[in-house]
Amino acid sequence: GAGVSQTPSNKVTEKGKYVELRCDPISGHTALYWYRQSLGQGPEFLIYFQGTGAADDSGLPNDRFFAVRPEGSVSTLKIQRTERGDSAVYLCASSSLAGRRDEQFFGPGTRLTVL
Amino acid sequence: AQSVAQPEDQVNVAEGNPLTVKCTYSVSGNPYLFWYVQYPNRGLQFLLKYITGDNLVKGSYGFEAEFNKSQTSFHLKKPSALVSDSALYFCAVRDADYGQNFVFGPGTRLSVLP
Repeated sequence: GAGVSQTPSNKVTEKGKYVELRCDPISGHTALYWYRQSLGQGPEFLIYFQGTGAADDSGLPNDRFFAVRPEGSVSTLKIQRTERGDSAVYLCASSSLAGRRDEQFFGPGTRLTVL
Repeated sequence: AQSVAQPEDQVNVAEGNPLTVKCTYSVSGNPYLFWYVQYPNRGLQFLLKYITGDNLVKGSYGFEAEFNKSQTSFHLKKPSALVSDSALYFCAVRDADYGQNFVFGPGTRLSVLP
């Protein structure tokens, strides 16, 4: 079956611009996570969705970052007024709340470069 | 707040020898512990998890990990390393009593030499 997909795979933008990153989770997975991974570091938690609602957004670094999941499937991470420090690989993961709970399936990531 | 430490940036081991990748953690409540592996140009893959029960957890590809509450450790082990095990390994923790905030360690690069 299809895994988690993320688009685009690479995004280059200029400082101050707005970007949207998309995540398509595994079908039927109700839990969805966004992470940010900088070079040489582990993934940093950003936000967790349970269905359509953001159940834990404690990892969002500031109000320039926002994420939605309007129909409980696809999610979009939105970054306003991008800064050079936002450059990183943005990872999405999904998991089921039944059976193999807490086992996250990760997408390949979107590499964001802010010039 | 929870945290994870992986004290070794790099671990080198000869093929066929046992391997250990170390992880220590800190949480306020009960820990849920995980190991993930990242192969070159591929996404993170789940290896194993400790939720409750037996302290020795067996996972994918012959890996296992031992939960040690007194030492707050969750070291990853394999009895006989393969060259194909060479990858980046991440330990992660979630506080079972607080939210869904998973904290990952910085990663350990494992190189298995033929």
